[in-house]
Amino acid sequence: DQQVKQNSPSLSVQEGRISILNCDYTNSMFDYFLWYKKYPAEGPTFLISISSIKDKNEDGRFTVFLNKSAKHLSLHIVPSQPGDSAVYFCAASGGGGSNYKLTFGKGTLLTVNP
Amino acid sequence: GAGVSQTPSNKVTEKGKYVELRCDPISGHTALYWYRQSLGQGPEFLIYFQGTGAADDSGLPNDRFFAVRPEGSVSTLKIQRTERGDSAVYLCASSLIHRGGGEGYTFGSGTRLTVV
Repeated sequence: DQQVKQNSPSLSVQEGRISILNCDYTNSMFDYFLWYKKYPAEGPTFLISISSIKDKNEDGRFTVFLNKSAKHLSLHIVPSQPGDSAVYFCAASGGGGSNYKLTFGKGTLLTVNP
Repeated sequence: GAGVSQTPSNKVTEKGKYVELRCDPISGHTALYWYRQSLGQGPEFLIYFQGTGAADDSGLPNDRFFAVRPEGSVSTLKIQRTERGDSAVYLCASSLIHRGGGEGYTFGSGTRLTVV
């Protein structure tokens, strides 16, 4: 039973356009959501996060939106750059005192074409 | 060190053998985590250490898997009687304290384990 789902295995966009990566979750106990970026042969690196008490968090070109009623979040990257090409993982934590434990989705491979 | 160091970066072993995977966290980080990423999947939680003790080992798949952190720094993940299904990238992360939400995690580059 996958509690965090990224239904798009891959996404391809043109440089300068917007990239939108989506993520759905099923566990209503999750109260913190994160996006990680991963290059080949490297570990995931933290990108941006959002608490369940907010619906938007912005950091430069990256914005995360949270829709709690739909149990859906999305990562917007604008403008997209070729260096953004990587696998993006959505992750969630919280509930039952185990907020150190991250539950990851399967990831979306983003390719930004020059 | 500057980052989380994992050794070896690659390990090929025969089915049934014993392996040890090492994680050297960022100096001063008291919390340490092991995750496993199988092909086509996201990382999955294995175990969390706070200092020397395993605070949560609920993600270890079975009793063939064991992890230690005897001095509260370096950790070793040990797998006995390896099976082909154990093939995956094993990721280690550390944080200064257990940071709620995982924002403070720094991951290592992982050890790619292949069981043949």
